[in-house]
Amino acid sequence: QVHLVQSAAEVKKPGASVKVSCKASGYTFTTYGINWVRQAPGQGLEWMGWISAHNGNTNYAQNFQGRVTMTTDTSTTTAYMELTSLGSDDTAMYYCARDVDVLTAIPAYWGQGTLVIVSS
Amino acid sequence: QAVLTQPSSLSASPGASASLTCTLRSGLNIDTYRIYWYQQKPGSPPQYLLRYKSDSDKQQGSGVPSRFSGSKDVSANAGILLISGLQSEDEADYYCLVWHSSAPVFGGGTKLTVL
Repeated sequence: QVHLVQSAAEVKKPGASVKVSCKASGYTFTTYGINWVRQAPGQGLEWMGWISAHNGNTNYAQNFQGRVTMTTDTSTTTAYMELTSLGSDDTAMYYCARDVDVLTAIPAYWGQGTLVIVSS
Repeated sequence: QAVLTQPSSLSASPGASASLTCTLRSGLNIDTYRIYWYQQKPGSPPQYLLRYKSDSDKQQGSGVPSRFSGSKDVSANAGILLISGLQSEDEADYYCLVWHSSAPVFGGGTKLTVL
């Protein structure tokens, strides 16, 4: 079955960067894309962007353009999300999620989440 | 105005049915959108429930019980998640999502209380 395992929690200082990983298994990695979604404490879900594991094409949400980079490593079936210039409002749970269908950019199968805390 | 608006909370009794609404911004036509629904319990990632556009274009998430279903209220320009035979385990936050302007957009979520 589809299984996504994310990296451990991170604590970062304002202005720093964070890179979260998402190890996929249980399906053909290059057939589907990976979405990244975040959730601030007590808040709703916010879609950050999507990457095709087939060819590396990306679609970033306007709010994150210029600050986020999504990549994949097909040899290890791992997706990565790097967010730079962190501020306190970036404190959130960050989720990766595989597409519901081939290349739809609609999240369906979710990782367990990675908590990122930004604090001085 | 947000693309999708959901009531912040809803309460219903065990065994009853609950209709969760997801209203599309005025000027956008709900008929043309696929509506996706998610359930999130405290401390857990969201779970994909289903997709609904029409009775001929719908999809149930893997392992999701049939008592979760989707529909639309075109007159209200809204998508609806219907949960029948409510159980205590259905108490959760529910989010809708649509694809709009080249990106997925989430609604603000509805907290469903079963009491």
